[in-house]
Amino acid sequence: NAGVTQTPKFQVLKTGQSMTLQCAQDMNHEYMSWYRQDPGMGLRLIHYSVGAGITDQGEVPNGYNVSRSTTEDFPLRLLSAAPSQTSVYFCASSSAGTGGRANYGYTFGSGTRLTVV
Amino acid sequence: RKEVEQDPGPFNVPEGATVAFNCTYSNSASQSFFWYRQDCRKEPKLLMSVYSSGNEDGRFTAQLNRASQYISLLIRDSKLSDSATYLCVVNPWGYQKVTFGTGTKLQVIP
Repeated sequence: NAGVTQTPKFQVLKTGQSMTLQCAQDMNHEYMSWYRQDPGMGLRLIHYSVGAGITDQGEVPNGYNVSRSTTEDFPLRLLSAAPSQTSVYFCASSSAGTGGRANYGYTFGSGTRLTVV
Repeated sequence: RKEVEQDPGPFNVPEGATVAFNCTYSNSASQSFFWYRQDCRKEPKLLMSVYSSGNEDGRFTAQLNRASQYISLLIRDSKLSDSATYLCVVNPWGYQKVTFGTGTKLQVIP
């Protein structure tokens, strides 16, 4: 099983450029999320999705767009890169919970290390 | 108050020691609880779920205290390989805006 696959693993962008971080999962998970992790800040939720066609904002959504046209894919678009978006980005997925559980825990991709200069 | 709070540490413990971390949460409606482990520059990995009655997985024991709104992780007989940052996650049922704690760093010393 591939699990959660993120591409690219590393990226350098110039200020103002746009790009899409790719995330794909092969576990048929309903839930997917994007996080960024900065030193000393922990994981911060950018956007999340509870199913195809349904997305919502997290804690730090500004400057990012998402869409979920299929269950498998959840790309994150940076509209106009800024140095403040230099970070490590993680995509995660989870199956829906049952019996009072919200979910069964997230599986993370290996991350994309983005530098904006 | 933050939704989820953890002592950042670091906790420096000798090999073979027992160490415990707590994680407090503010939303009393929270239903799902987890501990994750994150190695330096790696992705978080699910360590264990936390059940109402408490649960154990080898050297690891997780407990939930709903009255005081915290979960705990106990590690017995610490190994060098346990050195990592431990993240807690709590979220209400049916609510996928999952929030992670900032993590507690553990360093096991030879």
